[in-house]
Amino acid sequence: QSALTQPPSASGSSGQSVTISCTGTSSDIGGYTYVSWYQQHPGKAPKLIIYEVSKRPSGVPDRFSGSKSDTTASLTVSGLQAEDEADYYCTSYAGSNNLVFGGGTKLTVL
Amino acid sequence: QLQLQESGPGLVRPSETLSLTCSVSGDSISSSSYFWGWIRQPPGKGLDWIGSIYYSGSTYYNPSLKSRVTISVDTSKNHFSLKLSSVTAADTAVYYCARHRPNSYGTFDYWGQGTLVTVSS
Repeated sequence: QSALTQPPSASGSSGQSVTISCTGTSSDIGGYTYVSWYQQHPGKAPKLIIYEVSKRPSGVPDRFSGSKSDTTASLTVSGLQAEDEADYYCTSYAGSNNLVFGGGTKLTVL
Repeated sequence: QLQLQESGPGLVRPSETLSLTCSVSGDSISSSSYFWGWIRQPPGKGLDWIGSIYYSGSTYYNPSLKSRVTISVDTSKNHFSLKLSSVTAADTAVYYCARHRPNSYGTFDYWGQGTLVTVSS
């Protein structure tokens, strides 16, 4: 069982927006501003798309945005494109040099 | 361009020790202030952080694996390694190595392609 809770699946039509949630506790998401999001296509390594809650690495489209409220972090993908279909994972610092991941969300672009 | 490459046996017997190495090219492990980590993914399942190491040798481990994990670094060879002892079928997974940004917990910005390790007799 993963420490962070994500919905197993999410979907949206091309061009629409979709938001994926990542729920933790006051000991992880609620206590720190270290939430990252990763995109993983089948058979590929994960790719960093959001770090420190809402920062985007160079090269990541601004269609991807992150936020946090209390113990829940969110990833929003705007203007959905076919290539956004992938698995998405959140991770958070959990104190004492420990990191926890979410179980992942499979995003389908209809 | 930074590149990471995992290597090691693809098959390990139950109760034995899994050993993997991550070779880093395009940057020196000892010249940068980054951490270097291991993450695994059982088939069809999610990601699980194993641990991270600084070039100086300081290590941080997932509490659930700490008793079985050792991560080490060899700056002369520009690589770092993972040892996981007393493996069982539950340790079957794709193992990734990754660079971990300093002072930014959970920010793995470069990843290896991953290597599948199967635990079976």
